[in-house]
Amino acid sequence: DAGVIQSPRHEVTEMGQEVTLRCKPISGHNSLFWYRQTMMRGLELLIYFNNNVPIDDSGMPEDRFSAKMPNASFSTLKIQPSEPRDSAVYFCASRDRGQANYGYTFGSGTRLTVV
Amino acid sequence: SQKIEQNSEALNIQEGKTATLTCNYTNYSPAYLQWYRQDPGRGPVFLLLIRENEKEKRKERLKVTFDTTLKQSLFHITASQPADSATYLCALDTGTASKLTFGTGTRLQVTL
Repeated sequence: DAGVIQSPRHEVTEMGQEVTLRCKPISGHNSLFWYRQTMMRGLELLIYFNNNVPIDDSGMPEDRFSAKMPNASFSTLKIQPSEPRDSAVYFCASRDRGQANYGYTFGSGTRLTVV
Repeated sequence: SQKIEQNSEALNIQEGKTATLTCNYTNYSPAYLQWYRQDPGRGPVFLLLIRENEKEKRKERLKVTFDTTLKQSLFHITASQPADSATYLCALDTGTASKLTFGTGTRLQVTL
């Protein structure tokens, strides 16, 4: 398996533009997580899905953020409109809830810069 | 409020020594505690998971302890090597929510 695949790796956009981040989890994993990492706040959970259903979105900072998981192999995180304070590295992670002894597998992240 | 604290100061040790990293938490009752390694520009990589009823877990040169009375986990790397240099993150899972909350990490630097 190629692991968790995120795209793009880097995104630079202007304030006010829409940004869409993409994630392909590991095949067979039934939970998917979106995290954001900054120097100030570390890794913060934004939202997670079990079996493609959003379970907890309490970490989503505001209505400008939305996430979807239309099927087991694809998820998107959208920011509209983007603001400079959204600049961070966004990670997607997946896991198999049936594997009790194993943790999350993270993608390589998308580095977002909003200017 | 809930807190997961890791030493924000970098830990510098000499090759061959044992590195010990600390994770303290407050106002959590974790069912699981996990440790991850993160290299610059990469996502975190899972290392070890320990349950609340386990005192210690080992994997090759790694050892994790979990003391729910002290609300603390220690992460040890024995016979450390320069390749072990990275940031190490601890993370808690309360079990009921099945979601991980991460500490801010401790950077380990192993020198020759």
